[in-house]
Amino acid sequence: KNQVEQSPQSLIILEGKNCTLQCNYTVSPFSNLRWYKQDTGRGPVSLTIMTFSENTKSNGRYTATLDADTKQSSLHITASQLSDSASYICVVTGYSTLTFGKGTMLLVSP
Amino acid sequence: DTEVTQTPKHLVMGMTNKKSLKCEQHMGHRAMYWYKQKAKKPPELMFVYSYEKLSINESVPSRFSPECPNSSLLNLHLHALQPEDSALYLCASSQGTSGRNEQFFGPGTRLTVL
Repeated sequence: KNQVEQSPQSLIILEGKNCTLQCNYTVSPFSNLRWYKQDTGRGPVSLTIMTFSENTKSNGRYTATLDADTKQSSLHITASQLSDSASYICVVTGYSTLTFGKGTMLLVSP
Repeated sequence: DTEVTQTPKHLVMGMTNKKSLKCEQHMGHRAMYWYKQKAKKPPELMFVYSYEKLSINESVPSRFSPECPNSSLLNLHLHALQPEDSALYLCASSQGTSGRNEQFFGPGTRLTVL
């Protein structure tokens, strides 16, 4: 069964600090992995997309890594801002279906 | 235009009402999706339309009725809903249904069923 597990479930950090979110998956076949940011009551917005051959991809203060051998991905947020407070969802795509993780709820505190 | 729009933003309805949710995109995408998202849960796929034809129905109750009038529009008709149907309803679109295509999400409609 395709599954995506994210950790931690929730996280509180001080503004300006860095943090790393984890995603483990068992999805086969594997097409790509995306990290989405979802503000409360809004639709998810794509941050990064990674395919099998990519190890690292950055988008501003967001850096995603992928280890296709261990089926793990991480999302590192640098110099956090209050606006980073949101749910971060890891989504793994097989041939055509998307498997969503439950998300990590991040709260950046002043 | 790289946006998926949804109307209304909020909807409150009784269990005997009939209402519709609307979704629109002008990116030339040929695949459109409806998702249901409960609080603190990931989105759950409801329906997939590909080239204006329903290709996937994830065993959704018949009180939800999707409609794709043209390649830019996707509706979700609601009738005789239950309180447990209260959720955020997300529309998404992509160039095609292949997993290589990114899905772009709309802002959602927050539905409350009384």
